[in-house]
Amino acid sequence: DTEVTQTPKHLVMGMTNKKSLKCEQHMGHRAMYWYKQKAKKPPELMFVYSYEKLSINESVPSRFSPECPNSSLLNLHLHALQPEDSALYLCASSRPEAGGGELFFGEGSRLTVL
Amino acid sequence: KQEVTQIPAALSVPEGENLVLNCSFTDSAIYNLQWFRQDPGKGLTSLLLIQSSQREQTSGRLNASLDKSSGRSTLYIAASQPGDSATYLCAVKEGTSYGKLTFGQGTILTVHP
Repeated sequence: DTEVTQTPKHLVMGMTNKKSLKCEQHMGHRAMYWYKQKAKKPPELMFVYSYEKLSINESVPSRFSPECPNSSLLNLHLHALQPEDSALYLCASSRPEAGGGELFFGEGSRLTVL
Repeated sequence: KQEVTQIPAALSVPEGENLVLNCSFTDSAIYNLQWFRQDPGKGLTSLLLIQSSQREQTSGRLNASLDKSSGRSTLYIAASQPGDSATYLCAVKEGTSYGKLTFGQGTILTVHP
């Protein structure tokens, strides 16, 4: 099973709303990632969690708040977003130990901010 | 700062052709390199992973090579099919096994019957 599951697939929210994106994997991976992808651009790293601890934050605005409740789950809490935050949000996971590192991505959550 | 470049940006070929996609990176201190395909509006599918100590990897009709010292990788697709039409992205991982993945801009491949 090499599946990373993301919900919801589509989300429309206003600038004053609070919503969350969810990501789940059952591959035993201990590194999980959030990427943001704008149309016709490559994905850009937002956050990395390794062993449930935040290890990389690519200077992401505080209106994006990640959370890793356990080794299988990764959330991205959204608050007071801007229309320019509309994008495809991709979750990925990998084995963090030496020799690992292959990333497996989910199908993404397409976010529209009105 | 690591920069990843993919050439060509777009490629259109008839079915059955063998083709090569190119990827170059500026900093050779990479942990690994990974090739992905992305269908429109979808997530990324991992095709091949090459660790920094390896020279190539093969999976079915796909073969990827890595020359770390010159900062280059190629993805070879044999006997292309219309189902191969997608955007192909290469990405290099820096530092650690859970480090930052830096992507190229991608090659849009169209295989016509």
